[in-house]
Amino acid sequence: GENVEQHPSTLSVQEGDSAVIKCTYSDSASNYFPWYKQELGKGPQLIIDIRSNVGEKKDQRIAVTLNKTAKHFSLHITETQPEDSAVYFCAASPGGNQFYFGTGTSLTVIP
Amino acid sequence: DGGITQSPKYLFRKEGQNVTLSCEQNLNHDAMYWYRQDPGQGLRLIYYSQIVNDFQKGDIAEGYSVSREKKESFPLTVTSAQKNPTAFYLCASSIKQGVDQPQHFGDGTRLSIL
Repeated sequence: GENVEQHPSTLSVQEGDSAVIKCTYSDSASNYFPWYKQELGKGPQLIIDIRSNVGEKKDQRIAVTLNKTAKHFSLHITETQPEDSAVYFCAASPGGNQFYFGTGTSLTVIP
Repeated sequence: DGGITQSPKYLFRKEGQNVTLSCEQNLNHDAMYWYRQDPGQGLRLIYYSQIVNDFQKGDIAEGYSVSREKKESFPLTVTSAQKNPTAFYLCASSIKQGVDQPQHFGDGTRLSIL
């Protein structure tokens, strides 16, 4: 089955700096890659997603890149703000409503 | 507003007791899922259902049971056979099979042992 690895597990950045979270996957059949943000005591919320026919997608301060050859994808957050502090999860889906999650990155933005 | 509602938010279980976690969605989604979340381990799939009256085991189904009698509802029972049930349980749904759409999550139920 699919195996998704996520790094780093914790990340601290100064407010205004950029944050990058990286994920790798093993199943070449995976073709859909959502990213979720989870705040304390809440469920994960989708923040951005990318499909395998696209190499990069951007939404304001958030961007995701995908390298299908290398089987890795990354989340980039620019101009970080304290409200960006949360746990971020990547996921990979080979279709059929199957989703495989990374182990999460705890991001702290220091004011 | 459309969404997924999990209840209760906190639940306590006594030894030898079965407890049921509720999950209801009004998004008209076909697929529903239950995940267990432990610190540092991400989300692990317990059970999922693609359609009413059908469900499949996930990676850690032992000690859990589910039913899917209605499209909107997918309750999870944590049985006494689950020896380490303390965790944060998340319910999710997605639109339908074969379409690459994200999962939508509820706000979870935190289960603890008395």
